[in-house]
Amino acid sequence: QSALTQPASVSGSPGQSITISCTGASSDVGGYDYVSWYQQPPGKAPKLMIYGVNNRASGVSDRFSGSKSGNTASLTISGLQAEDEADYYCSSYTSSGTLVFGAGTKVTVL
Amino acid sequence: QVQLQESGPGLVKPSETLSLICAVSGYSISSGKYWGWMRQPPGKGLEWIATFYHSGSTYYNPSLKSRVALSVDTSKNQLSLKLASVTAADTAVYYCTSDSNTWYWAYYWGQGTLVTVSS
Repeated sequence: QSALTQPASVSGSPGQSITISCTGASSDVGGYDYVSWYQQPPGKAPKLMIYGVNNRASGVSDRFSGSKSGNTASLTISGLQAEDEADYYCSSYTSSGTLVFGAGTKVTVL
Repeated sequence: QVQLQESGPGLVKPSETLSLICAVSGYSISSGKYWGWMRQPPGKGLEWIATFYHSGSTYYNPSLKSRVALSVDTSKNQLSLKLASVTAADTAVYYCTSDSNTWYWAYYWGQGTLVTVSS
């Protein structure tokens, strides 16, 4: 199963909005509403941010939102803050009955 | 609040079996939830290994299934991972994970433990 495609890096200034894309296929992202997003600060464990395409996990700021169109899912961070600097990973259930991840996107706050 | 703590040898020789334990606190494994493992090679992305439900259903990454064994010790409230015939490609931080409702994602994560495969 091929990994999902994410941009290697995305940056923005404090207060701006950024969007991270996650492109798969009809056999994963496009075929199921089982996309999730994780935030991983340097040296720490991942934290679930979004599940089921657009549901925020408990305790996650409403500045984070998820969406999907066709075979591409997206994570949008509004009102970017310094604490949002981290690696972000998308994941999806696949028609093979497995989970697949993207390679990760490094978010930098300028 | 579920808390997960991984432990095990930090160094394993090639061709041997990697064995890790995840101690669970704040919840009884036998009461429910999905429990599993993920890993992350140094400087690389996440990889799902396997997940099981307390009732017995288990889901495996096909690329690892032939080498993976999951088990549960309800008396100690622990789950374990064994990965056989390891190579340098198995060097990674291994995370214990859990979720209340599904195996498609994981809300709870341990802090992770680094396992290096080297002679």
